[in-house]
Amino acid sequence: DVKVTQSSRYLVKRTGEKVFLECVQDMDHENMFWYRQDPGLGLRLIYFSYDVKMKEKGDIPEGYSVSREKKERFSLILESASTNQTSMYLCASSLTRQGKPQHFGDGTRLSIL
Amino acid sequence: ILNVEQSPQSLHVQEGDSTNFTCSFPSSNFYALHWYRWETAKSPEALFVMTLNGDEKKKGRISATLNTKEGYSYLYIKGSQPEDSATYLCAFLVIQGAQKLVFGQGTRLTINP
Repeated sequence: DVKVTQSSRYLVKRTGEKVFLECVQDMDHENMFWYRQDPGLGLRLIYFSYDVKMKEKGDIPEGYSVSREKKERFSLILESASTNQTSMYLCASSLTRQGKPQHFGDGTRLSIL
Repeated sequence: ILNVEQSPQSLHVQEGDSTNFTCSFPSSNFYALHWYRWETAKSPEALFVMTLNGDEKKKGRISATLNTKEGYSYLYIKGSQPEDSATYLCAFLVIQGAQKLVFGQGTRLTINP
């Protein structure tokens, strides 16, 4: 079974802090994704990566950056956290083959005070 | 802007009743449509990946159909049970070099015992 592990279930940080959210997958998937989920808005893609050191902006990249130094690990960085980044963050991974689903972590509920 | 719409946004169904809901997506540049179930306090779980027009997929009491020419998919649940309570997400696969999913806002299903 694919396991996608996010470093924290709940996180509370202060405005202006630099915040790191970590995600690790154990199935050698090429693709990794970071989403945020807000009520009534579904999952919105922040950034994704299709290979080590490769990254692509998603639909809402402003205020975020990412790092993929190893295939199994994809980090989301909030450079200077703001209250409008309070949200549920989900990491996912997948194979590149078209008919394969994404596998999700349990999510990190991040509160910025 | 690519739009994936799900309706209804929320649904209350009596235990034992059958129900269905809709996902609408662009009818051009179709590669695949994904369905996920997201239960509270768990990670989203893949139900189906559908790639061919006219596809019908089934998993226990849940089934899905796909019409790529008119751009819609239906998810059916037969004989709803309390454990079916979840948010159901559909997602449209976009391939522009790399692959990414565009999610609908979800249908929140509550089964009343």
